[in-house]
Amino acid sequence: QVQLVQSGAEVKKPGASVKVSCKASGYTFTSYDINWVRQATGQGLEWMGWMNPNSGNTGYAQKFQGRVTMTRNTSISTAYMELSSLRSEDTAVYYCASGFTGWFDPWGQGTLVTVSS
Amino acid sequence: QSALTQPASVSGSPGQSITISCTGTSSDVGGYNYVSWYQQHPGKAPKLMIYEVSNRPSGVPDRFSGSKSGNTASLTISGLQAEDEADYYCSSYTSSSTLYVFGTGTKVTVL
Repeated sequence: QVQLVQSGAEVKKPGASVKVSCKASGYTFTSYDINWVRQATGQGLEWMGWMNPNSGNTGYAQKFQGRVTMTRNTSISTAYMELSSLRSEDTAVYYCASGFTGWFDPWGQGTLVTVSS
Repeated sequence: QSALTQPASVSGSPGQSITISCTGTSSDVGGYNYVSWYQQHPGKAPKLMIYEVSNRPSGVPDRFSGSKSGNTASLTISGLQAEDEADYYCSSYTSSSTLYVFGTGTKVTVL
């Protein structure tokens, strides 16, 4: 079945970087965009950016410009999201989600990133 | 890009119908037919329930329906069931470089 499987939980210190992976299976990885969405505990969803796995083209939310990088390795159907200069406010569950213009489906299981000194 | 506005909570008894609103601007909800809705149970990833305003993905019960009028989109759940108790989020494509915006989220309680 179509699914996205993400890497495990991370604990990072303020100022560090984190790289989360998202492995796709059950469909052609290059056929759909990969989006990244985060959710702080008890809070709503926040869109971070998208990547076209075929071309490698990316687009980032203004809030994360300069701090986020989305890449992929098509040989292993895996997308990556790296967030740098981490601060406590970046503590959240990070989701990858496949999709096309206007929708996100399916979603990965989420990766908890905790930023703490 | 500000979050779309949803009511914080909506409740209903089993079998009733409820409607969740999602209000944006002409730069997002009102400008595109790319409104989608997601259901999220506690501790789980969101699940797509409606896309392109009113289309249901395969496997989503027809009790769920979507519509849009002007800058406001709506999700209606007819014949409310216990398993519908969850958080619901709308999302819209936008005209800004921040391509997508989510709603503030609505907690649906089945009484």
